Amino acid sequence: GENVEQHPSTLSVQEGDSAVIKCTYSDSASNYFPWYKQELGKRPQLIIDIRSNVGEKKDQRIAVTLNKTAKHFSLHITETQPEDSAVYFCAASAGGNEKLTFGTGTRLTIIP
Amino acid sequence: SAVISQKPSRDICQRGTSLTIQCQVDSQVTMMFWYRQQPGQSLTLIATANQGSEATYESGFVIDKFPISRPNLTFSTLTVSNMSPEDSSIYLCSVLDSANEKLFFGSGTQLSVL
Repeated sequence: GENVEQHPSTLSVQEGDSAVIKCTYSDSASNYFPWYKQELGKRPQLIIDIRSNVGEKKDQRIAVTLNKTAKHFSLHITETQPEDSAVYFCAASAGGNEKLTFGTGTRLTIIP
Repeated sequence: SAVISQKPSRDICQRGTSLTIQCQVDSQVTMMFWYRQQPGQSLTLIATANQGSEATYESGFVIDKFPISRPNLTFSTLTVSNMSPEDSSIYLCSVLDSANEKLFFGSGTQLSVL
Protein backbone atom coordinates (compact mmCIF):
# COMPACT_ATOMS: atom_id res chain seq x y z
CA GLY A 1 0.00 0.00 0.00
CA GLU A 2 0.85 3.66 -0.06
CA ASN A 3 3.41 5.05 2.36
CA VAL A 4 3.77 8.78 2.95
CA GLU A 5 6.76 10.25 4.76
CA GLN A 6 6.74 13.81 6.04
CA HIS A 7 9.57 16.08 7.21
CA PRO A 8 10.32 17.84 9.43
CA SER A 9 8.26 16.68 12.39
CA THR A 10 8.64 20.11 14.04
CA LEU A 11 9.45 23.48 12.52
CA SER A 12 9.90 26.87 14.14
CA VAL A 13 9.92 29.95 11.96
CA GLN A 14 10.19 33.65 12.70
CA GLU A 15 7.05 35.56 11.87
CA GLY A 16 7.26 36.89 8.34
CA ASP A 17 9.67 34.20 7.15
CA SER A 18 8.76 31.26 4.92
CA ALA A 19 8.09 27.68 5.96
CA VAL A 20 8.51 24.58 3.82
CA ILE A 21 7.22 21.09 4.63
CA LYS A 22 8.13 18.13 2.45
CA CYS A 23 6.47 14.78 1.78
CA THR A 24 7.40 11.74 -0.26
CA TYR A 25 5.08 8.96 -1.38
CA SER A 26 5.69 5.43 -2.53
CA ASP A 27 2.82 4.53 -4.86
CA SER A 28 3.43 5.84 -8.37
CA ALA A 29 -0.32 5.52 -9.03
CA SER A 30 -1.08 8.27 -6.50
CA ASN A 31 -2.55 11.28 -8.24
CA TYR A 32 -4.12 13.45 -5.55
CA PHE A 33 -2.18 15.28 -2.82
CA PRO A 34 -4.04 17.41 -0.26
CA TRP A 35 -2.67 19.30 2.72
CA TYR A 36 -4.58 19.67 5.97
CA LYS A 37 -4.08 22.08 8.84
CA GLN A 38 -5.12 21.00 12.32
CA GLU A 39 -5.25 23.43 15.17
CA LEU A 40 -5.30 22.12 18.72
CA GLY A 41 -8.61 20.43 19.49
CA LYS A 42 -10.00 21.10 16.04
CA ARG A 43 -10.77 19.02 12.99
CA PRO A 44 -8.27 18.80 10.11
CA GLN A 45 -9.05 21.49 7.56
CA LEU A 46 -8.18 21.24 3.90
CA ILE A 47 -5.98 24.20 2.97
CA ILE A 48 -4.75 23.30 -0.50
CA ASP A 49 -4.53 20.31 -2.81
CA ILE A 50 -2.93 19.37 -6.09
CA ARG A 51 -3.55 16.71 -8.68
CA SER A 52 -0.88 14.96 -10.66
CA ASN A 53 -1.58 16.79 -13.90
CA VAL A 54 -0.34 20.03 -12.31
CA GLY A 55 3.16 20.85 -11.06
CA GLU A 56 2.35 23.79 -8.82
CA LYS A 57 -0.66 25.46 -7.27
CA LYS A 58 -0.86 28.66 -5.29
CA ASP A 59 -3.49 30.20 -3.06
CA GLN A 60 -2.46 33.53 -1.56
CA ARG A 61 0.39 32.79 0.88
CA ILE A 62 0.21 29.03 0.42
CA ALA A 63 1.63 27.01 -2.46
CA VAL A 64 2.12 23.34 -3.18
CA THR A 65 4.62 21.86 -5.62
CA LEU A 66 4.65 18.34 -6.99
CA ASN A 67 7.49 16.37 -8.54
CA LYS A 68 5.98 13.17 -9.92
CA THR A 69 9.29 11.78 -11.09
CA ALA A 70 10.82 12.01 -7.65
CA LYS A 71 7.50 11.25 -5.95
CA HIS A 72 7.60 14.16 -3.59
CA PHE A 73 5.49 17.23 -2.93
CA SER A 74 5.95 20.25 -0.71
CA LEU A 75 3.93 22.89 1.09
CA HIS A 76 5.25 26.44 1.06
CA ILE A 77 3.90 29.13 3.36
CA THR A 78 5.21 32.65 2.82
CA GLU A 79 5.00 35.69 5.09
CA THR A 80 4.10 33.48 8.02
CA GLN A 81 1.77 34.77 10.72
CA PRO A 82 1.06 33.57 14.27
CA GLU A 83 -2.23 32.04 13.14
CA ASP A 84 -0.26 29.69 10.87
CA SER A 85 0.87 27.83 13.99
CA ALA A 86 -0.70 24.36 13.81
CA VAL A 87 0.01 20.77 12.82
CA TYR A 88 0.11 20.23 9.07
CA PHE A 89 -0.56 16.88 7.43
CA CYS A 90 0.15 15.88 3.87
CA ALA A 91 -1.72 13.01 2.25
CA ALA A 92 -1.80 11.00 -0.94
CA SER A 93 -4.43 9.04 -2.79
CA ALA A 94 -4.43 6.86 -5.85
CA GLY A 95 -7.74 8.35 -6.81
CA GLY A 96 -11.07 6.81 -7.62
CA ASN A 97 -12.22 6.84 -4.03
CA GLU A 98 -10.07 9.52 -2.44
CA LYS A 99 -8.98 7.10 0.26
CA LEU A 100 -6.15 9.08 1.80
CA THR A 101 -2.90 7.94 3.34
CA PHE A 102 -1.57 10.63 5.68
CA GLY A 103 1.92 11.68 6.56
CA THR A 104 3.03 11.83 10.18
CA GLY A 105 2.46 15.55 10.55
CA THR A 106 4.57 18.68 11.09
CA ARG A 107 4.09 20.90 14.09
CA LEU A 108 4.72 24.44 12.84
CA THR A 109 5.36 27.18 15.39
CA ILE A 110 5.53 30.80 14.31
CA ILE A 111 7.70 32.86 16.62
CA PRO A 112 6.44 36.44 17.00
CA SER B 1 -18.57 22.34 1.36
CA ALA B 2 -20.76 19.76 3.10
CA VAL B 3 -21.62 20.40 6.74
CA ILE B 4 -20.69 17.37 8.83
CA SER B 5 -22.08 16.94 12.32
CA GLN B 6 -20.58 14.34 14.61
CA LYS B 7 -21.67 13.32 18.07
CA PRO B 8 -20.86 12.87 20.80
CA SER B 9 -17.99 15.36 20.76
CA ARG B 10 -16.35 13.57 23.66
CA ASP B 11 -17.01 10.78 26.07
CA ILE B 12 -15.37 8.95 28.92
CA CYS B 13 -16.16 5.25 29.01
CA GLN B 14 -15.41 2.24 31.14
CA ARG B 15 -13.41 -0.61 29.71
CA GLY B 16 -15.50 -3.43 28.29
CA THR B 17 -18.33 -1.16 27.20
CA SER B 18 -19.22 0.06 23.70
CA LEU B 19 -19.78 3.52 22.26
CA THR B 20 -21.59 4.45 19.08
CA ILE B 21 -20.54 7.60 17.24
CA GLN B 22 -22.88 9.26 14.79
CA CYS B 23 -22.04 11.24 11.67
CA GLN B 24 -24.68 13.31 9.87
CA VAL B 25 -24.11 15.19 6.62
CA ASP B 26 -26.34 17.97 5.32
CA SER B 27 -26.27 16.62 1.77
CA GLN B 28 -26.08 13.26 0.06
CA VAL B 29 -22.54 12.01 -0.35
CA THR B 30 -21.29 8.90 -2.10
CA MET B 31 -18.19 8.28 0.00
CA MET B 32 -17.92 8.33 3.79
CA PHE B 33 -14.93 7.24 5.80
CA TRP B 34 -13.98 6.74 9.44
CA TYR B 35 -10.52 7.70 10.70
CA ARG B 36 -8.76 7.31 14.03
CA GLN B 37 -6.25 9.79 15.41
CA GLN B 38 -4.37 8.52 18.43
CA PRO B 39 -2.98 11.15 20.82
CA GLY B 40 -0.36 13.27 19.09
CA GLN B 41 -0.43 11.05 16.02
CA SER B 42 -1.51 11.14 12.41
CA LEU B 43 -4.80 10.01 10.94
CA THR B 44 -5.36 6.34 10.15
CA LEU B 45 -8.20 5.10 8.01
CA ILE B 46 -10.40 2.56 9.79
CA ALA B 47 -12.89 1.80 7.04
CA THR B 48 -14.96 3.03 4.16
CA ALA B 49 -18.66 3.14 5.03
CA ASN B 50 -20.62 1.73 2.10
CA GLN B 51 -24.25 2.61 1.72
CA GLY B 52 -26.42 -0.48 1.83
CA SER B 53 -23.57 -2.95 2.23
CA GLU B 54 -20.85 -3.97 4.63
CA ALA B 55 -18.06 -1.51 5.29
CA THR B 56 -14.62 -2.05 3.79
CA TYR B 57 -12.02 -2.29 6.55
CA GLU B 58 -8.35 -1.43 6.39
CA SER B 59 -5.63 -3.75 7.56
CA GLY B 60 -5.61 -3.98 11.33
CA PHE B 61 -9.27 -3.11 11.78
CA VAL B 62 -12.08 -5.66 12.01
CA ILE B 63 -15.84 -5.51 11.91
CA ASP B 64 -16.32 -7.14 15.30
CA LYS B 65 -14.35 -4.35 16.97
CA PHE B 66 -15.55 -1.45 14.81
CA PRO B 67 -18.98 -2.22 13.37
CA ILE B 68 -20.15 0.46 10.95
CA SER B 69 -23.57 1.21 9.61
CA ARG B 70 -24.56 3.43 6.71
CA PRO B 71 -28.30 3.23 6.15
CA ASN B 72 -28.45 6.11 3.68
CA LEU B 73 -26.34 8.69 1.85
CA THR B 74 -26.31 11.24 4.69
CA PHE B 75 -25.71 9.20 7.84
CA SER B 76 -23.25 6.70 9.30
CA THR B 77 -22.35 5.28 12.69
CA LEU B 78 -19.15 3.79 14.05
CA THR B 79 -19.26 1.62 17.16
CA VAL B 80 -16.17 1.02 19.23
CA SER B 81 -16.85 -2.32 20.92
CA ASN B 82 -15.49 -3.90 24.08
CA MET B 83 -13.32 -0.87 24.71
CA SER B 84 -9.90 -0.88 26.32
CA PRO B 85 -7.64 2.07 27.24
CA GLU B 86 -5.81 1.55 23.93
CA ASP B 87 -8.97 2.68 22.14
CA SER B 88 -8.59 6.17 23.61
CA SER B 89 -8.36 8.33 20.50
CA ILE B 90 -10.13 10.89 18.41
CA TYR B 91 -12.48 9.30 15.91
CA LEU B 92 -13.31 11.32 12.83
CA CYS B 93 -15.80 10.79 10.07
CA SER B 94 -15.03 12.25 6.69
CA VAL B 95 -16.94 12.67 3.48
CA LEU B 96 -16.04 13.15 -0.13
CA ASP B 97 -17.82 16.26 -1.33
CA SER B 98 -19.11 15.25 -4.76
CA ALA B 99 -19.26 18.87 -5.95
CA ASN B 100 -15.52 19.44 -5.71
CA GLU B 101 -14.08 15.96 -5.12
CA LYS B 102 -12.47 17.05 -1.86
CA LEU B 103 -12.43 15.28 1.50
CA PHE B 104 -13.78 17.06 4.55
CA PHE B 105 -13.82 16.02 8.19
CA GLY B 106 -16.35 16.07 10.95
CA SER B 107 -15.51 17.71 14.26
CA GLY B 108 -14.40 14.45 15.81
CA THR B 109 -15.22 12.42 18.91
CA GLN B 110 -12.62 12.40 21.64
CA LEU B 111 -12.89 9.08 23.43
CA SER B 112 -11.21 8.28 26.72
CA VAL B 113 -11.41 4.75 28.09
CA LEU B 114 -10.70 4.18 31.76
